[in-house]
Amino acid sequence: GENVEQHPSTLSVQEGDSAVIKCTYSDSASNYFPWYKQELGKGPQLIIDIRSNVGEKKDQRIAVTLNKTAKHFSLHITETQPEDSAVYFCAAIVSGGGADGLTFGKGTHLIIQP
Amino acid sequence: EAGVAQSPRYKIIEKRQSVAFWCNPISGHATLYWYQQILGQGPKLLIQFQNNGVVDDSQLPKDRFSAERLKGVDSTLKIQPAKLEDSAVYLCASSLRSYNEQFFGPGTRLTVL
Repeated sequence: GENVEQHPSTLSVQEGDSAVIKCTYSDSASNYFPWYKQELGKGPQLIIDIRSNVGEKKDQRIAVTLNKTAKHFSLHITETQPEDSAVYFCAAIVSGGGADGLTFGKGTHLIIQP
Repeated sequence: EAGVAQSPRYKIIEKRQSVAFWCNPISGHATLYWYQQILGQGPKLLIQFQNNGVVDDSQLPKDRFSAERLKGVDSTLKIQPAKLEDSAVYLCASSLRSYNEQFFGPGTRLTVL
């Protein structure tokens, strides 16, 4: 089955700086890569996603890049703000056949220092 | 639009006891998922329903876990009997159909003593 590795496990950045979280996946058939943000006591919330036919996607301060050859994808957050502090998860799906359960990485605890 | 509802939010039981969790997905969402999130890890899929049929239960420990989705709407996840390693947050998610964004509920935090 699919395996997703995520790094780093903890990331501390100064407010206003950029943050980058990296993930690798094992199944070359994976074709959908969402990123979720999870705040304490809440369920994960989708913040951005990318499909395998696209190399990069941007939404305001958040961007995701995908390198299918190397089987890795990254989340970039620019101009970080205190409300960005949370745990971020990458995930991957092999879409097809009806089963589309997400395989998650272990998460990155992002800390924004004031 | 109301989100995914789950209850209870917290549950504490002794090992070997039984427990059930309830999920009400977003109205109109045909696909429903149950995930298990152990502390410090990402969620792990337990089971996926499409309407009231099971699509994927390959990671569900079927000797103790069971799930059903009656009438293709609400779903219940049951553990019988519980073990210490079942302590986790159980997350329910729904999507309009397969290959669409999955919306997560707040989860049920289970502690097995």
